[in-house]
Amino acid sequence: EVQLVESGGGLVQPGGSLRLSCAASGFTLSNYAMNWVRQAPGKGLDWVSTISGSGGTTYYADSVKGRFTVSRDNSKNTLHLQMNSLRAEDTAEYYCARSWDVWGKGTTVTVSS
Amino acid sequence: QSVVTQPPSASGTPGQRVTISCSGSSSNIGSDTVNWCQQLPGTAPRLLINTNNQRPSGVPDRFSGSKSGTSASLAISGLQSEDEADYYCAAWDDSLNGYVFGTGTKVTVL
Repeated sequence: EVQLVESGGGLVQPGGSLRLSCAASGFTLSNYAMNWVRQAPGKGLDWVSTISGSGGTTYYADSVKGRFTVSRDNSKNTLHLQMNSLRAEDTAEYYCARSWDVWGKGTTVTVSS
Repeated sequence: QSVVTQPPSASGTPGQRVTISCSGSSSNIGSDTVNWCQQLPGTAPRLLINTNNQRPSGVPDRFSGSKSGTSASLAISGLQSEDEADYYCAAWDDSLNGYVFGTGTKVTVL
């Protein structure tokens, strides 16, 4: 079964860091670009980042550029999102998605003092 | 705020046809293909339509997508109660060098 499972969310103070992970199973991760998308409480979907299959090309939303870093370990079938200098407005459910056809269930990030 | 706009809400009775519009610009919808996602209450999004009008396996054929110029639309024919959800269009934006989601449309089945 093709599946994505996010982990690593939690409560963090403003200015802090978190590292999200997305474990892939049922397919070869290196064959697909991967995406992170977030959704603040009661709000719409907000694209965060995209990484190519090889990991050689990355894209970021302006709102996270310079603070977030996407990476992948294809040998371990895992995608990561390193989030630094977190702000209250980063509070959201974070989803990973394979291209756009498979989505994980999400992990919750809360930035608050 | 998103550069791709959708009506905030749409509604219909069971069996009716509902259409959701998605308005963008030459840098996004006008130059790339459009995907549509459905988000049922309390769940993760799922892909409903890709490449403007292609339904992934498992998506009922009452859902259809189209694109013309800088706009796209999603039609739900034969509306059912389980179609009550939020719907988002999305496309790559060459100016932003990133992906953009539409503002989202909440569909209510009356």
